[in-house]
Amino acid sequence: EPEVTQTPSHQVTQMGQEVILRCVPISNHLYFYWYRQILGQKVEFLVSFYNNEISEKSEIFDDQFSVERPDGSNFTLKIRSTKLEDSAMYFCASSWALDQPQHFGDGTRLSIL
Amino acid sequence: SQQGEEDPQALSIQEGENATMNCSYKTSINNLQWYRQNSGRGLVHLILIRSNEREKHSGRLRVTLDTSKKSSSLLITASRAADTASYFCATALSNFGNEKLTFGTGTRLTIIP
Repeated sequence: EPEVTQTPSHQVTQMGQEVILRCVPISNHLYFYWYRQILGQKVEFLVSFYNNEISEKSEIFDDQFSVERPDGSNFTLKIRSTKLEDSAMYFCASSWALDQPQHFGDGTRLSIL
Repeated sequence: SQQGEEDPQALSIQEGENATMNCSYKTSINNLQWYRQNSGRGLVHLILIRSNEREKHSGRLRVTLDTSKKSSSLLITASRAADTASYFCATALSNFGNEKLTFGTGTRLTIIP
């Protein structure tokens, strides 16, 4: 069964450094999302992406964050200057249409030192 | 916000028994999705129920939705040790190009062999 893949599984970075989290959504999917889960807390929506542009972003998704779909397969989340509070599990998700299941990757655990 | 709250927060039952988890939310939805998360792992999609549906089944899973009470329940029948995980409900409201999920706090289910 097709699945969403995320790399790396764990990223350790110094505060202030840039990180890029990578995702390969399911190939025929059209809607792409990033969520994050701080340890012990709820899963939170960050951003949605459709038709090569951001369709919605949360308050968390400030100017330090950006997303790209550089080619037909990858979907990336960049954090320009990481902060300690960015430490979390970041999940990529995709769906082929609205009102359809969103399929999640296994996540990238981001640790900011 | 479309906040989902699960009840109970934690549930321990003997293997073979049925497990019921409840979810309440506050605003209109297009659909409600249930996910499972094993410790430190990704979110696995279990079932999606649309706002015009009242009940859905998938294998040992039964989901109900009461939009008048803004609540849903997930029943796992004949539980197995492998069902031990956290279970989350997530509500979805579609806008053009976007269907962000708002997750609940989760129910930690432990199946005792």
